[in-house]
Amino acid sequence: DAGVTQSPTHLIKTRGQQVTLRCSPKSGHDTVSWYQQALGQGPQFIFQYYEEEERQRGNFPDRFSGHQFPNYSSELNVNALLLGDSALYLCASSFRQGARTGELFFGEGSRLTVL
Amino acid sequence: DAKTTQPPSMDCAEGRAANLPCNHSTISGNEYVYWYRQIHSQGPQYIIHGLKNNETNEMASLIITEDRKSSTLILPHATLRDTAVYYCIVRVNFGNEKLTFGTGTRLTIIP
Repeated sequence: DAGVTQSPTHLIKTRGQQVTLRCSPKSGHDTVSWYQQALGQGPQFIFQYYEEEERQRGNFPDRFSGHQFPNYSSELNVNALLLGDSALYLCASSFRQGARTGELFFGEGSRLTVL
Repeated sequence: DAKTTQPPSMDCAEGRAANLPCNHSTISGNEYVYWYRQIHSQGPQYIIHGLKNNETNEMASLIITEDRKSSTLILPHATLRDTAVYYCIVRVNFGNEKLTFGTGTRLTIIP
């Protein structure tokens, strides 16, 4: 059983560019969340998708957007990249039973470097 | 979500029990205590969670005080592979996938 898979694992962009990161949730999971982890810090919640809609959002600007597809996979898009966007981007998946949230399983992350 | 307070770092001898404390004095009645760990350059890994009763699984035990204002994660026989940053998180687990990570405790297992 594959866990949460993310791609690409590493990428380098320059300021002002746009980036798309991808996530496939663990089999049987229907909810995807995205987190940003700067060096030496704990992960910070960006947003969460359930039933193809953004349900929760953290304190991130509109440059950060996402999408969830019918197969539950998800994309994170960041526009107009800044140097401060350099971080490890983590995807987490979970399964909802009714409103109850299950444990979150994290992928290994996509490390973005902005030059 | 309630805030948590953890010591920044701890050492533990290999084979001994590692006891990691966490204070969450403002926890609400419907908030659970979760523990995750992050081994260097990997994604966080779920360890255990509980509401008010003590919990045990194959990885660890979780002891929650009666007033629920603090908890302790116990790794019964620490190995070198347990070296990681451990995060204590409190959250409501209904319709809520947001985990508020603090800076965690960096646990180093000493051979």
